Amino acid sequence: DSGVTQTPKHLITATGQRVTLRCSPRSGDLSVYWYQQSLDQGLQFLIQYYNGEERAKGNILERFSAQQFPDLHSELNLSSLELGDSALYFCASSVAAGGQPQHFGDGTRLSIL
Amino acid sequence: DQQVKQNSPSLSVQEGRISILNCDYTNSMFDYFLWYKKYPAEGPTFLISISSIKDKNEDGRFTVFLNKSAKHLSLHIVPSQPGDSAVYFCAASDTGAGSYQLTFGKGTKLSVIP
Repeated sequence: DSGVTQTPKHLITATGQRVTLRCSPRSGDLSVYWYQQSLDQGLQFLIQYYNGEERAKGNILERFSAQQFPDLHSELNLSSLELGDSALYFCASSVAAGGQPQHFGDGTRLSIL
Repeated sequence: DQQVKQNSPSLSVQEGRISILNCDYTNSMFDYFLWYKKYPAEGPTFLISISSIKDKNEDGRFTVFLNKSAKHLSLHIVPSQPGDSAVYFCAASDTGAGSYQLTFGKGTKLSVIP
């Protein structure tokens, strides 16, 4: 158990809809990272938050947004969903902004019908 | 452009023998490297890491070697055990960039045969 909690584990929805994925980092970790793993792809970095502030952005679509709350949990919001958004979404956390290693949750599997 | 490449999608090894997983990178700014192991329906689990100031790091049965001039790293597992059967991901980070985001390879599926 990595200590990183992601909910829900599975999400099935339709094109055009909006969903929210939730992540609770390990106790004491201030930094949260979101990654997307599509079929046949490695994990792709989306965005990082550190202590409530956005720290770095990867190839995150404009339809996607995230935030980190004062209690350090984070949410990833995906809107106007398309079939191609079907993927595994992982959250990871680390102690500091540059802390390694990152510890991963078990992911949320998003299926768009 | 894939900056971290794991060219072997799969590898089969007999129990007790050595497993060698390889990883190549193209971005010369990468200075920190990690290996993660992933079982089905679980998230990646950190195994071992190495900084670019070293060329070897060991932790029990796992050793990571880094060849900076060749932009190549490898993970050695000795001896291999059936429980090591999983997908192994190589990841790299440019710590000077300030974000420590990880760039991952696509993974190598290791099967250890009893």
